[in-house]
Amino acid sequence: QQQVKQSPQSLIVQKGGISIINCAYENTAFDYFPWYQQFPGKGPALLIAIRPDVSEKKEGRFTISFNKSAKQFSLHIMDSQPGDSATYFCAASMEGSGNTGKLIFGQGTTLQVKP
Amino acid sequence: DVKVTQSSRYLVKRTGEKVFLECVQDMDHENMFWYRQDPGLGLRLIYFSYDVKMKEKGDIPEGYSVSREKKERFSLILESASTNQTSMYLCASSHRVVGTQYFGPGTRLLVL
Repeated sequence: QQQVKQSPQSLIVQKGGISIINCAYENTAFDYFPWYQQFPGKGPALLIAIRPDVSEKKEGRFTISFNKSAKQFSLHIMDSQPGDSATYFCAASMEGSGNTGKLIFGQGTTLQVKP
Repeated sequence: DVKVTQSSRYLVKRTGEKVFLECVQDMDHENMFWYRQDPGLGLRLIYFSYDVKMKEKGDIPEGYSVSREKKERFSLILESASTNQTSMYLCASSHRVVGTQYFGPGTRLLVL
């Protein structure tokens, strides 16, 4: 019940296309859903995050869509660029006092954007 | 800028050696974490600490121990390194009740 399942494992998209990565969770107590981006040779860095009181959050070309009833959330990268080529991780946690701030990570998606 | 630094980028060790990986953060974060990253398995939590001298096991603690004597420093110890511990090790830190974790650049460990 603590798992977060991420798909696809790898994704190839043409420049200008839309990249879509999906995640599903079981634990309804999760209330914080971040996406992390990792470039080769670097640690992951927070890209965008959402809480379940909204169904969508947009920051530039990156959008998180959240479906609470289906327990799914997804990352959409519009107008994908070669510089977006990286590994993307979804995650989930329970925030608030009394919780430890632990993140449960998905398995990761390696995105390649072809010029 | 939050900075999380790890003592080594690359390490090569022999089977049976004791290995120390160190992590330092400069943002006065209460929480610190050690993960290992393997292809297709994502980030798996080894241990975490929510305060000095406090530690809790993560999902894969076997073969590892940790030490947190100072708030800014969190060490991962491989008591007797084995080849199946060859991996990328990532350290992260965060405030106690805010989920954003800040990661170091990672240590790629090869155990021969």
